Amino acid sequence: DSGVTQTPKHLITATGQRVTLRCSPRSGDLSVYWYQQSLDQGLQFLIQYYNGEERAKGNILERFSAQQFPDLHSELNLSSLELGDSALYFCASSVLAGGQLVGELFFGEGSRLTVL
Amino acid sequence: AQKVTQAQTEISVVEKEDVTLDCVYETRDTTYYLFWYKQPPSGELVFLIRRNSFDEQNEISGRYSWNFQKSTSSFNFTITASQVVDSAVYFCALKSDYGGSQGNLIFGKGTKLSVKP
Repeated sequence: DSGVTQTPKHLITATGQRVTLRCSPRSGDLSVYWYQQSLDQGLQFLIQYYNGEERAKGNILERFSAQQFPDLHSELNLSSLELGDSALYFCASSVLAGGQLVGELFFGEGSRLTVL
Repeated sequence: AQKVTQAQTEISVVEKEDVTLDCVYETRDTTYYLFWYKQPPSGELVFLIRRNSFDEQNEISGRYSWNFQKSTSSFNFTITASQVVDSAVYFCALKSDYGGSQGNLIFGKGTKLSVKP
């Protein structure tokens, strides 16, 4: 058990819909990362938050957005869903020192999104 | 550019065989970190090891060992006496601040290991 909690574990929805994925980081970790794992693209970094502020952006579509709340949990919002958005979405948290990642990322179990 | 290459897409072995998973990385940073993660069929990503660029000592943990060679930009992972429970996808990853990756992990495509009884 990594200590990172993600909900829901599975989600099935239709094209054009909007969903929200939730993540609670490990106790004490201020930084949250979102990754997308799809068959064709592999594991892709989407976005990082640190203590409520956006820290880095990766290959995140404009239809996707995220935020980190004062209690440090994070939500990833996916809108206008397309078939190609079907993937496993991971949240991870880490310890940062001086603002830099110095340890490993601890990943949640992922949220498997299926868009029909 | 930064890149992690796992050339072996799939490997199949019989239980008790030794198997080595290859990882080659590219970065212009002099300070970087390398990682291995395991993804069993259940889907979660499990951290196995982290190695920084200044520490080229090989590491052994039970049946697992890692060989880091800066000269060839490789960080290979060997499982000795493989077991069925080792069946998983294994990812090598690089953390480097160079080139706009902003210190986030860059993953290879993964190697799917199947260990047959």
